[in-house]
Amino acid sequence: AQSVTQLDSHVSVSEGTPVLLRCNYSSSYSPSLFWYVQHPNKGLQLLLKYTSAATLVKGINGFEAEFKKSETSFHLTKPSAHMSDAAEYFCVVNSNTGNQFYFGTGTSLTVIP
Amino acid sequence: NAGVTQTPKFQVLKTGQSMTLQCAQDMNHEYMSWYRQDPGMGLRLIHYSVGAGITDQGEVPNGYNVSRSTTEDFPLRLLSAAPSQTSVYFCASSYSPSVGTDTQYFGPGTRLTVL
Repeated sequence: AQSVTQLDSHVSVSEGTPVLLRCNYSSSYSPSLFWYVQHPNKGLQLLLKYTSAATLVKGINGFEAEFKKSETSFHLTKPSAHMSDAAEYFCVVNSNTGNQFYFGTGTSLTVIP
Repeated sequence: NAGVTQTPKFQVLKTGQSMTLQCAQDMNHEYMSWYRQDPGMGLRLIHYSVGAGITDQGEVPNGYNVSRSTTEDFPLRLLSAAPSQTSVYFCASSYSPSVGTDTQYFGPGTRLTVL
């Protein structure tokens, strides 16, 4: 079965410092992996996705993630946090049929001024 | 483009009542889906559709029905609401019917409370 585990339910960083949100996946096939962001009382928006091409994926707003098969990880990073990055972040993996998605439980990012 | 729209934004029901959550998209997307979001549990797939006339169950389908008579619309029906269905519901769509690598576009959500 496929699943994702977000290792931190809450991360707090100071503005201007690096962000690291951790995600491990479990899959019996070559997965596609995604990071979505949800700002308060809003719908979800795609940040970036890995689809078996380059293992280092760049997304919107300066975020990037690296697919590491040996570690079954897909951690999200950003060099310098901005106040507007405060939100809930979800790591997502697709099913082997490609028709279903499995979400992690989310990581809430707080940015301290 | 309006994108993915959902109505209503908020709804309060009594146990046993029925209602339909509406979802529409104007992007000519083949794939549409419904999720529920509960605290600490992320989003869980309820039902999905890969095209008009085709629907299938996700992780948590019990208590919900769907149909897809047009490409644009994908309503979610609660036949007899229960307090366990109190949640925030999101509709999403994507272009391809095989969505392994496709971006999903989410609606703004419907916050449902069942008393």
